[in-house]
Amino acid sequence: GENVEQHPSTLSVQEGDSAVIKCTYSDSASNYFPWYKQELGKRPQLIIDIRSNVGEKKDQRIAVTLNKTAKHFSLHITETQPEDSAVYFCAASFRSNYQLIWGAGTKLIIKP
Amino acid sequence: DVKVTQSSRYLVKRTGEKVFLECVQDMDHENMFWYRQDPGLGLRLIYFSYDVKMKEKGDIPEGYSVSREKKERFSLILESASTNQTSMYLCASRLQGRDTQYFGPGTRLTVL
Repeated sequence: GENVEQHPSTLSVQEGDSAVIKCTYSDSASNYFPWYKQELGKRPQLIIDIRSNVGEKKDQRIAVTLNKTAKHFSLHITETQPEDSAVYFCAASFRSNYQLIWGAGTKLIIKP
Repeated sequence: DVKVTQSSRYLVKRTGEKVFLECVQDMDHENMFWYRQDPGLGLRLIYFSYDVKMKEKGDIPEGYSVSREKKERFSLILESASTNQTSMYLCASRLQGRDTQYFGPGTRLTVL
């Protein structure tokens, strides 16, 4: 079946360094790729998303890149701060956008 | 702001009990979703509803049913709870034709 693989499962970076999380999807018809952030004990919230007609999108310190040929997309966080510590989920659209297929999540730890 | 609420943050039930989890959204969203979240497995879709009285199975519907009698309310029912249904349950809603899903705070269900 369709799936989204997300790596790494845990990422520990020094405060101020960059963090990159990668996802690979299997459904070539997927055209929407969101990233959600879930802080400890809180609900997931959308932080950035990209559509398949765009290769890159930035919003301040976060950016997402998409390689449709290779069917992978990545989240980039620059100048990491303690508040970036959270679990990050990627997802890809499936079946007319009613559904999202989710990655397993990446726990990002920012070391002071 | 979109507000999605869930009836309980924590719930403890016994094996074989019938369990109702309720989700309410206040933004007139057509689409609503129930996920379960387990460590290392990400978010898995149980059921979704694209409008009142409409429902479709997600990836893991076995052991669950749903009810959507009113637009703002989407209920998840465990007919006979089992220990393997111990999990975090997240509800989400989305405006038809839009991409962003808005999540509730989650219900952590423990089945003893």
